[in-house]
Amino acid sequence: GAVVSQHPSWVICKSGTSVKIECRSLDFQATTMFWYRQFPKQSLMLMATSNEGSKATYEQGVEKDKFLINHASLTLSTLTVTSAHPEDSSFYICSAKTSGRYTGELFFGEGSRLTVL
Amino acid sequence: AQSVTQPDIHITVSEGASLELRCNYSYGATPYLFWYVQSPGQGLQLLLKYFSGDTLVQGIKGFEAEFKRSQSSFNLRKPSVHWSDAAEYFCAVGARAAGNKLTFGGGTRVLVKP
Repeated sequence: GAVVSQHPSWVICKSGTSVKIECRSLDFQATTMFWYRQFPKQSLMLMATSNEGSKATYEQGVEKDKFLINHASLTLSTLTVTSAHPEDSSFYICSAKTSGRYTGELFFGEGSRLTVL
Repeated sequence: AQSVTQPDIHITVSEGASLELRCNYSYGATPYLFWYVQSPGQGLQLLLKYFSGDTLVQGIKGFEAEFKRSQSSFNLRKPSVHWSDAAEYFCAVGARAAGNKLTFGGGTRVLVKP
């Protein structure tokens, strides 16, 4: 089946630094990737939709300059949390849609846990 | 806009007993419906999905779900739970018209008693 890999799986950083999280589709091409954020014991909230070769579309309330998304290739999307603060600590999960005929299914990465000190 | 409601935040069930998790959705057209399971600190695993056709859908790990259009529901069931079924379960709705985005319910945490 389709595999999506996220890296790093967990990261700890100091307040004010930037952190980059990668999302890779390992065995398929993904024209569209989605980034979700999950707070402890809560559901997943869509942050943005990332389309290869174009600007990401952000959900209402998500700061574009805070969460930079780049989808430079059909197998890689990155989320950069800029000038991270403790309130950015969360579990970030990406998902990818195959570039072929729409099957409706999205494939999820393992998630990346960010802790900002 | 699409939305999903999972009325039960927590459910405790004895091992070997049956399990039913409720999911209600709101969407103007026929949605794509999904159930995912998440173990602590892990990503999501797809249990099953409904796109069209037979309204009773079989999934992995012995789970099944039934789409009831009249009730806007997509409840998940398992006849006999195992201790390994303890996890968080998310119902999600998506649609091509919505850009394939998935909207998730709040989740139901399942605890399994020995």
